Amino acid sequence: DAGVTQSPTHLIKTRGQHVTLRCSPISGHKSVSWYQQVLGQGPQFIFQYYEKEERGRGNFPDRFSARQFPNYSSELNVNALLLGDSALYLCASSYSDRSFSYNSPLHFGNGTRLTVT
Amino acid sequence: QKEVEQNSGPLSVPEGAIASLNCTYSDRVSQSFFWYRQYSGKSPELIMSIYSNGDKEDGRFTAQLNKASQYVSLLIRDSQPSDSATYLCAVIWSGGYQKVTFGTGTKLQVIP
Repeated sequence: DAGVTQSPTHLIKTRGQHVTLRCSPISGHKSVSWYQQVLGQGPQFIFQYYEKEERGRGNFPDRFSARQFPNYSSELNVNALLLGDSALYLCASSYSDRSFSYNSPLHFGNGTRLTVT
Repeated sequence: QKEVEQNSGPLSVPEGAIASLNCTYSDRVSQSFFWYRQYSGKSPELIMSIYSNGDKEDGRFTAQLNKASQYVSLLIRDSQPSDSATYLCAVIWSGGYQKVTFGTGTKLQVIP
């Protein structure tokens, strides 16, 4: 079975540009979450989506947005890129029901390495 | 105060020894606890999950949870050079959605 897939794997953008990152969850997983990981730190929560609805949002500016599609794939959009947005962006899916079984672990994709120059 | 704390290391152990990785978390309603392994430049990989007090063993790995002390640990027996990686402690708190909070990770070096 395919795991979580993310595209692209690497991306180089300049300040002020916009970027779209894509993610396909593991088959059967309805929950998709996005995390940002800068060098030397643990992943930081950005968003969680479940059945196309935003269920949670981390402490990130409004330049960050996301959406989830009927097939449960997801996009993360970042506008007006800053140098500080350079990071590894991780998508994770989990098997959760609407009541959110907190025992469901996250399964991560290989990430998108974003470099802003 | 950080919500999940880990010693950043590096923790160096000789091949064949037991590696002990520790994590403490803040006093909130905690639900589930996970250990992830992350090789340099790669994404985190789930190693262990633990939900109740006590020990949980899986092969060479043992996770230990003590909610009263707000403490979770990971023991790696018979450490191998291939275990050299950063180990991330992760916690889910209740809140109506699945926000996973990670520690900064402990870098483990297994010396041949």
